[in-house]
Amino acid sequence: KNEVEQSPQNLTAQEGEFITINCSYSVGISALHWLQQHPGGGIVSLFMLSSGKKKHGRLIATINIQEKHSSLHITASHPRDSAVYICAVLPNTGNQFYFGTGTSLTVIP
Amino acid sequence: GAVVSQHPSWVICKSGTSVKIECRSLDFQATTMFWYRQFPKQSLMLMATSNEGSKATYEQGVEKDKFLINHASLTLSTLTVTSAHPEDSSFYICSANSGRGLGTQYFGPGTRLLVL
Repeated sequence: KNEVEQSPQNLTAQEGEFITINCSYSVGISALHWLQQHPGGGIVSLFMLSSGKKKHGRLIATINIQEKHSSLHITASHPRDSAVYICAVLPNTGNQFYFGTGTSLTVIP
Repeated sequence: GAVVSQHPSWVICKSGTSVKIECRSLDFQATTMFWYRQFPKQSLMLMATSNEGSKATYEQGVEKDKFLINHASLTLSTLTVTSAHPEDSSFYICSANSGRGLGTQYFGPGTRLLVL
């Protein structure tokens, strides 16, 4: 069983749509990252969360520690948002991240 | 913000060649760096934890003699894939802990290795 589950695995959206990607985890954590990986592989860290909500441009990330759940929202999606989005959690014990398998997002013009 | 770089971004080599990948923290000192491998359509898998000035800690199933890690300074860790074979072809990613809390890790852009 994977400690981190993401849904959906694949997502296709029309340009302009509001997008939500979900991440559930089964361990107590000290931090959660949302990562973006574009075709070609480069990884960018979008957010690091330990509580509450963060916003950066059209991206919003929320986390509910009690429910062990985080969401990444993209407002007014654009084709350049097409990428794989990965949820990574850092358990309270240890310094090794657990990664979700990623959500592949395709935004169609 | 903190930046982690990797060099090279791409490497293509013949089977049997050894390949060195560098991971640098550009504006902070990292006592701990992590090396990950990612196969196509799979998530990142931790290979080893690199500690400055001491031996790396390898995850189960990762051959330490195959994947040599050196963390000689607080800003540089290197991963050497020795005698690379086609099955070593993968995407290798490092991350560095800035020390401002364990969650404050910054990821490198990755190195794609293709062994022919």
